[in-house]
Amino acid sequence: KAGVTQTPRYLIKTRGQQVTLSCSPISGHRSVSWYQQTPGQGLQFLFEYFSETQRNKGNFPGRFSGRQFSNSRSEMNVSTLELGDSALYLCASSLTGRESGNTIYFGEGSWLTVV
Amino acid sequence: EDQVTQSPEALRLQEGESSSLNCSYTVSGLRGLFWYRQDPGKGPEFLFTLYSAGEEKEKERLKATLTKKESFLHITAPKPEDSATYLCAVQARGADSWGKLQFGAGTQVVVTP
Repeated sequence: KAGVTQTPRYLIKTRGQQVTLSCSPISGHRSVSWYQQTPGQGLQFLFEYFSETQRNKGNFPGRFSGRQFSNSRSEMNVSTLELGDSALYLCASSLTGRESGNTIYFGEGSWLTVV
Repeated sequence: EDQVTQSPEALRLQEGESSSLNCSYTVSGLRGLFWYRQDPGKGPEFLFTLYSAGEEKEKERLKATLTKKESFLHITAPKPEDSATYLCAVQARGADSWGKLQFGAGTQVVVTP
């Protein structure tokens, strides 16, 4: 069974640019969450999608956005990149994200460097 | 607000030297407590989920336990390949926690031969 797949794995962007990251969840999983991981702040929740609807959002500025498609694949977008956006962005998937027993699995992440 | 605190921040063990990692948490209502292992440059790898106080789960040299306020991850007779950062996370009950995990800062474990 394929795991959570994230692309691209590594990318370098310039301040002010925007970036789009992609995530394919485990087959059959309908909940997709995104996290940002930095050495200083650790793993922080960005947002979660289920059936193409954002159900929850963390404390990040509006420059961070996402969407989910009908096949459960998800993308996140960061506009007007800042140096502080350099981080490992992780995607996680689960069956529904809300029931006990729903294990949450993570992908390998996308490393974003902003210069 | 939900909080997760892990201790110690770092742990250096000799091969075969057993030890425990602590995860204390405050959450309005616990749906589940998760343990992950993360190797450098990789995403977190799922280890266990615990749902109620008194529950225990084992996998190879790892054993996780849960009380109403904390969880322990016991590493028995560790090997160098157990070196990693171990992350603890909680998921609260309620609609505003669907798909959302609150993570601790992690414990970095180094096991030397």
